[in-house]
Amino acid sequence: SAVISQKPSRDICQRGTSLTIQCQVDSQVTMMFWYRQQPGQSLTLIATANQGSEATYESGFVIDKFPISRPNLTFSTLTVSNMSPEDSSIYLCSVEGRRTDGYTFGSGTRLTVV
Amino acid sequence: GNSVTQMEGPVTLSEEAFLTINCTYTATGYPSLFWYVQYPGEGLQLLLKATKADDKGSNKGFEATYRKETTSFHLEKGSVQVSDSAVYFCALSFFQLQEGSGNTGKLIFGQGTTLQVKP
Repeated sequence: SAVISQKPSRDICQRGTSLTIQCQVDSQVTMMFWYRQQPGQSLTLIATANQGSEATYESGFVIDKFPISRPNLTFSTLTVSNMSPEDSSIYLCSVEGRRTDGYTFGSGTRLTVV
Repeated sequence: GNSVTQMEGPVTLSEEAFLTINCTYTATGYPSLFWYVQYPGEGLQLLLKATKADDKGSNKGFEATYRKETTSFHLEKGSVQVSDSAVYFCALSFFQLQEGSGNTGKLIFGQGTTLQVKP
C-alpha cells in the first residue's frame, strides 16, 4: 500500500492566519482525500482532490476556507484560511488503494488555533 | 443516505476479556467495510476490511464478518491486551468501480468507540 508523508505534524497558530498542510505520496494516485477530526469526534470528509481539476467539497466546506491544490499525482496541499479556535482539529489526508488494499492515511496534522 | 453507526463508548475491559464493538450500516448498493484503529496521539491505521457479503476480515486477533442480512460488521477479539487500548472506527466505502452509488472513493465513518483495557 502507499506511504504518505504529511507535514507539519502539529502546529499552534494565531487566529486570523492561515496554515498549509502538505501530503506527499510515494506512488501515483488518482484521488486524494482530506478529512477533519474535531476533538473527540469522528472523521469528516472535507474534499476530494483529483489531479488537474478543481477539488470537490462536501457540504459545509467551501473553497475559500479550505483551498486545495493538486499539482501532480503524488502531492496535495490543504490550506486552512483565516483560522479561528473552532478550526482546532486533526487534519488527515488519505489515498485510495487498489480494491483489495483499502485506504491509507497520513499521520495527521494536529492544529491548535489560539 | 449512507451512514455507519457504532456502539457508544467508552468500553472498559480487563485484560484477556472478550471484546465486541457493534457496527451497523445503511447503504444503497454494496459497500466495502472497514475497521480502523487510532492509537493515542497517532493517525489512523487500517485494522481489517471486507469487500463483499460473508467475507471475514481478520488481523492481530481481531475479526469482523460482513453480514448483509443484518447490515452489520461487528468487531470481535477473544482476549484483549492493554496495548489494544485505542479508538476504533467502523467505516464504509464504495470503490470507483461501483459507479452510480454517489459515494465512490470516499470513506464514511462511524462516530468511533474508545476501548480501555485495564491490567
